[in-house]
Amino acid sequence: GEDVEQSLFLSVREGDSSVINCTYTDSSSTYLYWYKQEPGAGLQLLTYIFSNMDMKQDQRLTVLLNKKDKHLSLRIADTQTGDSAIYFCALVGGGSYIPTFGRGTSLIVHP
Amino acid sequence: EAEVAQSPRYKITEKSQAVAFWCDPISGHATLYWYRQILGQGPELLVQFQDESVVDDSQLPKDRFSAERLKGVDSTLKIQPAELGDSAMYLCASSSGTGGYEQYFGPGTRLTVT
Repeated sequence: GEDVEQSLFLSVREGDSSVINCTYTDSSSTYLYWYKQEPGAGLQLLTYIFSNMDMKQDQRLTVLLNKKDKHLSLRIADTQTGDSAIYFCALVGGGSYIPTFGRGTSLIVHP
Repeated sequence: EAEVAQSPRYKITEKSQAVAFWCDPISGHATLYWYRQILGQGPELLVQFQDESVVDDSQLPKDRFSAERLKGVDSTLKIQPAELGDSAMYLCASSSGTGGYEQYFGPGTRLTVT
C-alpha cells in the first residue's frame, strides 16, 4: 500500500513562511491533498493538486509537487498564529479511491 | 455553508459497553465515510458507503463494529462491546462522488473507553 511520510513538528515565527513536506511511495497517486486539523476538530480541506500539475497557488498557500522525487510540499506565506494546527497530506491513487493520510505535521507559530 | 454533522462530540464509556455515533452528511452527498483517528496519527478508513450500500468495509473490525446507512442519508456507527483500544476520534466525511472528489469532514466524536 501507499506510504506517506511527514515530519512531526515545525516551529516558525509569526510572519515567516512555513514549509511542510510530505513524501510518498506510490508514483500512481492522482490526487494529492492538504488538510488542516485544529485541536479537537475535524479535518478541513485546504487545497489539492492533480498529479499532472507541478504547482498550485491559492492566496497564502502554495503547493509544489515533484513527481520524480515523490515529494509534496505546502508553503504558507506570512504565517499567523491562527495557522497553528496539524497539517495532513493525503493521496488518492494506485487503483484505490480511498485517501491515505500521513501522520500529520504539527505547526507551531510563535510571536 | 453546508457542513457534516456528528453527535455526540464526546463520549466516555466503560469497556464492554455499547456506543453509537451518528453522522449527517452534506445534503446531496452520495458517498459517506467513517474514519478512526488514533491520537498522533492520520485518519484510517473504517467503512465507505455509496448511497445505502457498503463499498468498502475491509478495515472494519466486524466482530464488534457495525455501520449502517439505511436510507442513504445519515449513518450510524456502533461498537459493541467497546474495548480500551477503541479510544480514538471517530470522523465522518462525505463527498459528492468517489475517486478524487473532495471529502468534507465533520467535527468528529472523541471516544474514551475506561
